[in-house]
Amino acid sequence: EIVMTQSPATLSVSPGERVTLSCRASQSVVTNLAWYQHKPGQAPRLLISGAFTRATGVPARFSGSGSGTEFTLTISSLQSEDFAVYYCQQYRNWRSFGQGTKLEIK
Amino acid sequence: EVQLVESGGDLVRPGRSLRLSCAAFGFNFNKYAIHWVRQAPGKGLEWVSGITWNSASVGYADSVRGRFTISRDSAENSVYLQMNSLRVDDTALYYCARDNDFGTFDVWGQGTLVSVSS
Repeated sequence: EIVMTQSPATLSVSPGERVTLSCRASQSVVTNLAWYQHKPGQAPRLLISGAFTRATGVPARFSGSGSGTEFTLTISSLQSEDFAVYYCQQYRNWRSFGQGTKLEIK
Repeated sequence: EVQLVESGGDLVRPGRSLRLSCAAFGFNFNKYAIHWVRQAPGKGLEWVSGITWNSASVGYADSVRGRFTISRDSAENSVYLQMNSLRVDDTALYYCARDNDFGTFDVWGQGTLVSVSS
């Protein structure tokens, strides 16, 4: 089972700031890495697949990078609707999620 | 409208069984793998199990392997999760999700709640 580790667990930020979330895999997943946004009471939403490809309708302020075991999700200028929990997920070997990073308003 | 609808969640005692259902609408169900993902209270997302479009391959998280069984019925456009020997730590909101052939989950249901308590 591939273990995904995200950091930090919580990030307090202000609207307009640039943020970078990290995700590490216990073994190489190549670029079989996705990012999801999850808000309370809603189903998770796919943001990024293939480590850097935005899903349909995802704003350009979201970008992903990395390969192998180290990945990042960057939000260039935080909007109010971006405050949520973000999960990385590998799909190299079945599936597994990181424990999530919560973005909260400073 | 493309959607997944979960059902079957309930309050059960530890050691008992439960079967969850995930019904698919608005797309060709027979072309897609389907997965179950859960979220325990106050915790993050955990992948539970997945099944390929033709049932040729199934996978399970270590935490449920040997207790849970995933299956699908093309006539019913549904995927099932048979959960046996339930434990308190299986308490969670269970989502089903469509695998978009690239390995990621592009359609999610709203979830069904499973509570395991004595």
